[in-house]
Amino acid sequence: EAQVTQNPRYLITVTGKKLTVTCSQNMNHEYMSWYRQDPGLGLRQIYYSMNVEVTDKGDVPEGYKVSRKEKRNFPLILESPSPNQTSLYFCASSLSRQGAGETQYFGPGTRLLVL
Amino acid sequence: AQSVAQPEDQVNVAEGNPLTVKCTYSVSGNPYLFWYVQYPNRGLQFLLKYITGDNLVKGSYGFEAEFNKSQTSFHLKKPSALVSDSALYFCAVSSARGSARQLTFGSGTQLTVLP
Repeated sequence: EAQVTQNPRYLITVTGKKLTVTCSQNMNHEYMSWYRQDPGLGLRQIYYSMNVEVTDKGDVPEGYKVSRKEKRNFPLILESPSPNQTSLYFCASSLSRQGAGETQYFGPGTRLLVL
Repeated sequence: AQSVAQPEDQVNVAEGNPLTVKCTYSVSGNPYLFWYVQYPNRGLQFLLKYITGDNLVKGSYGFEAEFNKSQTSFHLKKPSALVSDSALYFCAVSSARGSARQLTFGSGTQLTVLP
């Protein structure tokens, strides 16, 4: 089944404790992206990747890191989480860059609470 | 900068009645327009998109949307609402002129279909 998977689905942590949220897709997609969803703000892009070893900042990159060592994986790293990073996070992928009108496929989401 | 406005945070409609969820956009160049739906505790699912061609786009689950260039709108419609349509709906826009990261989402509209 074609899908985007994320782990963990739920995570409670404390301020400053490094964490990684994994994302994997099995559709051989080139483009992958991370979003955060906050009430009243919709989805805002954190980082995106157009291919292996090619990553760039989205609209709200502060406090986050990503890497793209393999085509299928795009982990999101919070080196020193803070309470304002409490949010619902989505990973998404598409065949190519979104500007080409490609449909994005979303993971199930990771709900993060930073105490 | 491109933007999307979903003017209604909440739309309530009785089952069997027609529904409309509104979306207006602002973008340089020709727009690519999308509707995604989010059911509780799930990721976003693609409903439909407009890239070019016929202004009336048909999508999943009986939904359709009409692209209106003069009014810069892309309203989502369904002739007869079902209780199972209750969900959070997001409109999004990108363009061929945009950078790879520029898929911009609206803030979302919560649709509730009352039995």
